[in-house]
Amino acid sequence: DQQVKQNSPSLSVQEGRISILNCDYTNSMFDYFLWYKKYPAEGPTFLISISSIKDKNEDGRFTVFLNKSAKHLSLHIVPSQPGDSAVYFCAASQFGAGSYQLTFGKGTKLSVIP
Amino acid sequence: GAGVSQTPSNKVTEKGKYVELRCDPISGHTALYWYRQSLGQGPEFLIYFQGTGAADDSGLPNDRFFAVRPEGSVSTLKIQRTERGDSAVYLCASSLGQGFDNEQFFGPGTRLTVL
Repeated sequence: DQQVKQNSPSLSVQEGRISILNCDYTNSMFDYFLWYKKYPAEGPTFLISISSIKDKNEDGRFTVFLNKSAKHLSLHIVPSQPGDSAVYFCAASQFGAGSYQLTFGKGTKLSVIP
Repeated sequence: GAGVSQTPSNKVTEKGKYVELRCDPISGHTALYWYRQSLGQGPEFLIYFQGTGAADDSGLPNDRFFAVRPEGSVSTLKIQRTERGDSAVYLCASSLGQGFDNEQFFGPGTRLTVL
């Protein structure tokens, strides 16, 4: 049973436009959410995170939105750049319960077209 | 500074053999994690160390899998009697501490292929 779901395996966006990556979760005990970016043959790299007490966190071109009632989060990238082309993983944890393991979705492959 | 390193980068073995995968965390990081990523899936948690002790091993799939971190730095993931289903990329991560604001830094992974 997948607790973190990324239903879009791939997404193509024109350079300069907004990329929106979506993630849904089923476990209401999750209290911290993260996005990781992964290039081929490399490990995932942390991008941005959000605590469940917030509904938005912004870092430069990257913004994460959290809708707790819908158990949904999204990552917005504006403007999208060709270097953003990678696989993006949504992850969640129960830090408040003392669990530091991350539960990942299957990932969304983003292609930014020049 | 140096990131998380993992050796070997690739390991091919035969069904039934024993393998060891090594992880060198970032210097000073007390927490160390092992994940496994199968084809088309996201990373899946295996085990987490805080210092020398396994604080959470709930993700280990069965007793063929074992991990150690005897001096609180380098960790070894050991797989006995390997099966074809063990084929995956094994990822190691480390963090300075645990919890909020303690980012997990991942290594490049070891690709294990069991023939």
